[in-house]
Amino acid sequence: DTGVSQDPRHKITKRGQNVTFRCDPISEHNRLYWYRQTLGQGPEFLTYFQNEAQLEKSRLLSDRFSAERPKGSFSTLEIQRTEQGDSAMYLCASDTLGVEGWVTDTQYFGPGTRLTVL
Amino acid sequence: DAKTTQPPSMDCAEGRAANLPCNHSTISGNEYVYWYRQIHSQGPQYIIHGLKNNETNEMASLIITEDRKSSTLILPHATLRDTAVYYCIVKDRTSGTYKYIFGTGTRLKVLA
Repeated sequence: DTGVSQDPRHKITKRGQNVTFRCDPISEHNRLYWYRQTLGQGPEFLTYFQNEAQLEKSRLLSDRFSAERPKGSFSTLEIQRTEQGDSAMYLCASDTLGVEGWVTDTQYFGPGTRLTVL
Repeated sequence: DAKTTQPPSMDCAEGRAANLPCNHSTISGNEYVYWYRQIHSQGPQYIIHGLKNNETNEMASLIITEDRKSSTLILPHATLRDTAVYYCIVKDRTSGTYKYIFGTGTRLKVLA
């Protein structure tokens, strides 16, 4: 299967602990996105990368959150000092920006990582 | 804020066509209409997208009005597995735009 993969699928942690999630995008996609989804709401944009460059961060991404995509392939999202309000589904998606400036593919989403902070 | 509005919920009988409406009255000329669905506890699944012509694929049909201010996703023969939240999104495909802005979608329940 060559879709977007995320690990772990579920994470339960205690308040104050640090957690890290991983996303592996579709291999030929050069853009990678993180979204967060709380119960009953649609996904909300957090940040995105074009290759290894992080080009935008939402105001939802507090200073306790950090994302990296060191070699332009997989990405990690770390949350430090977790709070109960961080409990959500964290979704990763990827697509491709073509050479002529057009997005040549739609965003494809991974299965998500469900975080529960106790 | 999302540029689309959708009814919060709909029911459909199994085997019948499910017609899911979406209003996007402020859509601009370069913006495409995308449809995704999300089955409980999974990531959103791409269904179909279009600019101004009607589109059909193996999953669904997309009908866009001539003025492009609204669209309808049609699942021709709904099954129980089509029960999901359906999201309509408008997005420009040029390089300067990237993120999706989701609304709250339509919760479709297919009834046996």
